[in-house]
Amino acid sequence: EVQLVESGGGLVQPGGSLRLSCAASGFTFTNFAMGWVRQAPGTGLEWVSSTTSSGLTTYYADSVKGRFTISRDNSKNTLFLQLNSLSAEDTALYYCAKFPTRFVTGTNMDVWGNGTTVTVSS
Amino acid sequence: DIQMTQAPSSLSASVGDRVTITCRASQSINYFLNWYQQKPHKAPKLLIYSASSLQSGVPSRFSGSGSGTDFTLTIDSLQPEDFATYYCQQSYSVPLTFGGGTKVDI
Repeated sequence: EVQLVESGGGLVQPGGSLRLSCAASGFTFTNFAMGWVRQAPGTGLEWVSSTTSSGLTTYYADSVKGRFTISRDNSKNTLFLQLNSLSAEDTALYYCAKFPTRFVTGTNMDVWGNGTTVTVSS
Repeated sequence: DIQMTQAPSSLSASVGDRVTITCRASQSINYFLNWYQQKPHKAPKLLIYSASSLQSGVPSRFSGSGSGTDFTLTIDSLQPEDFATYYCQQSYSVPLTFGGGTKVDI
């Protein structure tokens, strides 16, 4: 069964950092692009970041560029998102998502995890 | 950035109704348009990709159409399990962008 399980969320103070993880199973992780999508309470979906299957190319939303870093460990089937300089606007449920291709454009997100919650508050 | 505009933002319907949701892109995105369904407290689920291709396992009462800037998601004969929020998403270019969502309720 194809599965994505996020972890690492929690309560953090403004200006703080967190590292989210997404453990993948049931498919050949190294063959597929991966990404993160977030959803603030009571709002819609916002794409955050994506990486190609190799991890060599990464993309970011303007709202997180320079503060968040996406990476992957293909030997451990794990995707990461490093969140720095957090603010209240980053409070959201963060979903990990798989693309059915090696790249992130011209395609879709066909598998989603259940999300991990990040709360930024003093 | 490509802006995605969905209409309506919410609608009320009954079981058995035919429901149509529209999504408009701020520039042409060819057919690079996906539709997702999200139920309360659940992760989004891919329904339609490339504007009109039905994702495996999705009931055939769901269909998508359109190209360029205007797209439509249609649900024929709405079922109780279809009450949810629906999002369109363009994959033509980065940043990937979603529509604001359409909540379908009773």
